[in-house]
Amino acid sequence: AQSVTQLGSHVSVSEGALVLLRCNYSSSVPPYLFWYVQYPNQGLQLLLKYTSAATLVKGINGFEAEFKKSETSFHLTKPSAHMSDAAEYFCACSGNTGKLIFGQGTTLQVKP
Amino acid sequence: DVKVTQSSRYLVKRTGEKVFLECVQDMDHENMFWYRQDPGLGLRLIYFSYDVKMKEKGDIPEGYSVSREKKERFSLILESASTNQTSMYLCASREPDRGDTGELFFGEGSRLTVL
Repeated sequence: AQSVTQLGSHVSVSEGALVLLRCNYSSSVPPYLFWYVQYPNQGLQLLLKYTSAATLVKGINGFEAEFKKSETSFHLTKPSAHMSDAAEYFCACSGNTGKLIFGQGTTLQVKP
Repeated sequence: DVKVTQSSRYLVKRTGEKVFLECVQDMDHENMFWYRQDPGLGLRLIYFSYDVKMKEKGDIPEGYSVSREKKERFSLILESASTNQTSMYLCASREPDRGDTGELFFGEGSRLTVL
């Protein structure tokens, strides 16, 4: 069985500060891992994904994430937050089951 | 661009009513999904479908059914709506031939309120 845990339902950073959103997964098979973003009143869109190639994955809008098998983590980072990054972020995991399992979501607030 | 269209953005229904949520995608994707989104719970998978007339239960199928008569259309059905089904419902389709690594494309969601 697979599961995803996002640590922190709300994260607040100042504009220009580092963004760190935490995600831990549990999977009995090698996982595929994803980060999606949801802007207000919209559906989700893919930020980046890990599919067993490079462990450091770069995505859109300056975001990146690192797969760490020993820590079962896939944390999302961005060096410098922008006001437009304010959104809800979801980590997700799949692994040859056909299903994509999502975490609880983290709302990112960016303060001016 | 891939487009996933959910026919209703907002619905208000009464307890016991039958509810249909329609989803159409325009990119010939084989895999389609229905999730519900609730604050603090993230997205939970209700049902998914690998192809026409195929369906698989997700993690919370109770109280729901689905229909996939055509490849582009995946419908979610609440046979007898209850107040605990008040939620945001999200439909998604997945790129073909990429197994579980494919990107999901989401509709904008249908917010259902059951009174």
